[in-house]
Amino acid sequence: EIVLTQSPGTLSLSPGERTTLSCRASQSVSSSYLAWYQQKPGQAPRLLIYGASSRATGIPDRFSGSGSGTDFTLTISRLEPEDFAVYYCQHLGTFGQGTKVEIK
Amino acid sequence: EVQLVESGGGLVQPGGSLRLSCAGSGFTFSSYWMSWVRQAPGKGLEWVANIKQDGSEKYYMDSVKGRFTISRDNAKNSLYLQMYSLRAEDTAVYYCARDGWYFDFWGQGTLVTVSS
Repeated sequence: EIVLTQSPGTLSLSPGERTTLSCRASQSVSSSYLAWYQQKPGQAPRLLIYGASSRATGIPDRFSGSGSGTDFTLTISRLEPEDFAVYYCQHLGTFGQGTKVEIK
Repeated sequence: EVQLVESGGGLVQPGGSLRLSCAGSGFTFSSYWMSWVRQAPGKGLEWVANIKQDGSEKYYMDSVKGRFTISRDNAKNSLYLQMYSLRAEDTAVYYCARDGWYFDFWGQGTLVTVSS
């Protein structure tokens, strides 16, 4: 069973900053099946990135994904106020535990 | 516009049963795998089960095998989750999601609370 470990657990940042979130798999996975989601309180998750690096429809280009094998990253180039949320990576039936991006 | 609308959640006693429904619209429902994903209060996301387009293949997370049954009715554009022998640890918001190896559309969720 694949385990996805996200780090850090929480990031305290200011609007305008750049940030990188990490997702590490316990064994090599296909990047075709690696996705990232954003979830705000009281809302359903929203797909951001699929296939490790492809942005979903309507996702701003400040969001980018990269990685292969066991190490994947989600980068937000310049944090906007609406980007403060929890982010999850996912590979098939497994989700990471999430990274919370909070306002500093 | 793709829409998924869940219903059927509520308060149920331990050992009880509940059936969740998800109505899809705005896409060809019969062309997609569909999944249920849940989220316990204050916790992360947990995939529960999925079902192939024609219902011929179904997969479950280990802790719900033998207790939950996923099904669909393509004529009604609907997805279901029949839950038996419910436990306190099944308490969660249950989302239905369109499944294409990733979950590109989600419903708003329905809350299931298992408590005496």
